[in-house]
Amino acid sequence: AQTVTQSQPEMSVQEAETVTLSCTYDTSESDYYLFWYKQPPSRQMILVIRQEAYKQQNATENRFSVNFQKAAKSFSLKISDSQLGDAAMYFCAYGKLTFGTGTRLTIIP
Amino acid sequence: NAGVTQTPKFQVLKTGQSMTLQCAQDMNHEYMSWYRQDPGMGLRLIHYSVGAGITDQGEVPNGYNVSRSTTEDFPLRLLSAAPSQTSVYFCASSLDREGLGADTQYFGPGTRLTVL
Repeated sequence: AQTVTQSQPEMSVQEAETVTLSCTYDTSESDYYLFWYKQPPSRQMILVIRQEAYKQQNATENRFSVNFQKAAKSFSLKISDSQLGDAAMYFCAYGKLTFGTGTRLTIIP
Repeated sequence: NAGVTQTPKFQVLKTGQSMTLQCAQDMNHEYMSWYRQDPGMGLRLIHYSVGAGITDQGEVPNGYNVSRSTTEDFPLRLLSAAPSQTSVYFCASSLDREGLGADTQYFGPGTRLTVL
């Protein structure tokens, strides 16, 4: 079975700075998909970014990018130019079945 | 296009009561699922369905029942509520491409359930 580990329960960053959220996973599969989801205080889960394992290129979405290291089974999320609206819980997910425990991100004005 | 809708948003039950959490999607997605979210535990999969008439168990299925009679609806039934089922419940849907979990999930707004 796959597992997903987010080792940082809480992180904080100054507004306009850059922050990286960690995620590691375990799988025996060679083809798979990884996701970062954001859950703001409204509770609504929304997709931040998606990575296909067989693609070497790291996914990017505006200020959000990932550092995908397949051999190390690492999938970290980098948020550049942090904004107050980025404050949320962030969940790393392996496919549809397995989620990490989340990282609560606080933005300091 | 409403996406994924869930009702109710909040519910309080007494131990032993039964209830159904409703979930509907209007995106013609084949795959639907139910998760529960508990502090420090992330989202855990309860049940899922890959199409009408097909359901399967996830990680934490005990105490819950599902059925999928239409593509749009995927209700979750609590048979005899227990305090351990106090949680926030999310329904999600996605396209179902073979096996890889490739598709983005779209989540409903959640139901906060308290069992006294």
